Amino acid sequence: QSALTQPASVSGSPGQSITISCTGTNSDVGNYNLVSWYQQHPGKAPKVIISGVTRRSSGVSNRFSGSKSGNTASLTISGLQAEDEADYFCCSYAGSYTWLFGGGTKLTVL
Amino acid sequence: EVQLVESGGDSVQPGGSLRLSCVGSGFTFSNYWMHWVRQAPGRGLVWVSRIYSDGSGASYADSVKGRFTISRDNAKNTVFLQMNSLRVEDTAVYYCARDFSHALDVWGQGTTVIVSS
Repeated sequence: QSALTQPASVSGSPGQSITISCTGTNSDVGNYNLVSWYQQHPGKAPKVIISGVTRRSSGVSNRFSGSKSGNTASLTISGLQAEDEADYFCCSYAGSYTWLFGGGTKLTVL
Repeated sequence: EVQLVESGGDSVQPGGSLRLSCVGSGFTFSNYWMHWVRQAPGRGLVWVSRIYSDGSGASYADSVKGRFTISRDNAKNTVFLQMNSLRVEDTAVYYCARDFSHALDVWGQGTTVIVSS
């Protein structure tokens, strides 16, 4: 049960687009369309923003989008805004009723 | 309002036990699988355990298997996490979360467990 691999940090200027990758294996990300993404601001609980690889949660801006290719899922945020600065975690169902999170990516809006 | 509220976090010595609780409100609790997820200080999220909606089955991360037990009381809209043989590395904020199509769509505010001598 090794964690999914995410970059430790990404950054972008307001208005730009960034993409956060999440790499697993053909036992988790590559085997199920059950990748979700969570946003966590400091001191707060995580909030789901994407589920089922591409499905945006209610109330989440359409600037957020998810995709998957092979064993790698991606979260893209377009038109970066200051309030997007947060930690982002991917999560995948890994079979046998277990789940795996990524190590998290700190997004800095410059 | 859909809400989850955890309690039971405390400071304990290595080898000790704790029981965490999480009460749900604003939704039909008995219809949903429930999870526990933890986050060590300054670290990422780690999935811990999940239980079926009727409590008939559960699953665990390898790191807690045999030490932690998840259970629920649907009459009280509550899910529990019994933690035994606690280790220093179990120190974390523990969140309960609701499962919706294998994603965690509602989270509590977390309860803090500190394992230290």
